Amino acid sequence: DGGITQSPKYLFRKEGQNVTLSCEQNLNHDAMYWYRQDPGQGLRLIYYSQIVNDFQKGDIAEGYSVSREKKESFPLTVTSAQKNPTAFYLCASRKSTGQGRAKDTEAFFGQGTRLTVV
Amino acid sequence: GQQLNQSPQSMFIQEGEDVSMNCTSSSIFNTWLWYKQDPGEGPVLLIALYKAGELTSNGRLTAQFGITRKDSFLNISASIPSDVGIYFCAGHLHYGGATNKLIFGTGTLLAVQP
Repeated sequence: DGGITQSPKYLFRKEGQNVTLSCEQNLNHDAMYWYRQDPGQGLRLIYYSQIVNDFQKGDIAEGYSVSREKKESFPLTVTSAQKNPTAFYLCASRKSTGQGRAKDTEAFFGQGTRLTVV
Repeated sequence: GQQLNQSPQSMFIQEGEDVSMNCTSSSIFNTWLWYKQDPGEGPVLLIALYKAGELTSNGRLTAQFGITRKDSFLNISASIPSDVGIYFCAGHLHYGGATNKLIFGTGTLLAVQP
């Protein structure tokens, strides 16, 4: 079955540590995204990538880093510079970003990773 | 960052009631998407709209792409307890060239009393 998989589901981090959240998709999608969701809040864009080896900052990129070495994978590292990292992190992917079929703009989400700083 | 105006922010209803929520924007969109998020899970796509004026149904759900291309609404008929969750709208904003963004609404929290 094709889909987008995030791991782990729950992650605990000590103060000052870097942690990496995994996001893998086998949908052959070109674009991948990372969002942060705080309790009772909407989705805020951290980073996105429209093609392998290229990525751009979203609205709240400070304290985060990403890589896109493979089409299928878009890991997110939460660094010690992120002052308030406790949140629910969502990864999403889309086939394209809009020049093709309209249906290719639909985004699909992973199950999310809940990160807690202890 | 840019977000869509989604209302209401929350709804508390009785089972069997109909529900209506909407999203508005100052920008024109060429695609509207509606998602549902269950607690602790990722959002799941419910309905996609591609043309102004389009009305699409998915079971008890009906969504419409506004004629002005600046708004969309989602209706849920005869609500049931499993409709509980957060509903998000999303609009695809075409800037031209290779730059495109998916903008999300602020979400509507739906609670259904059995």
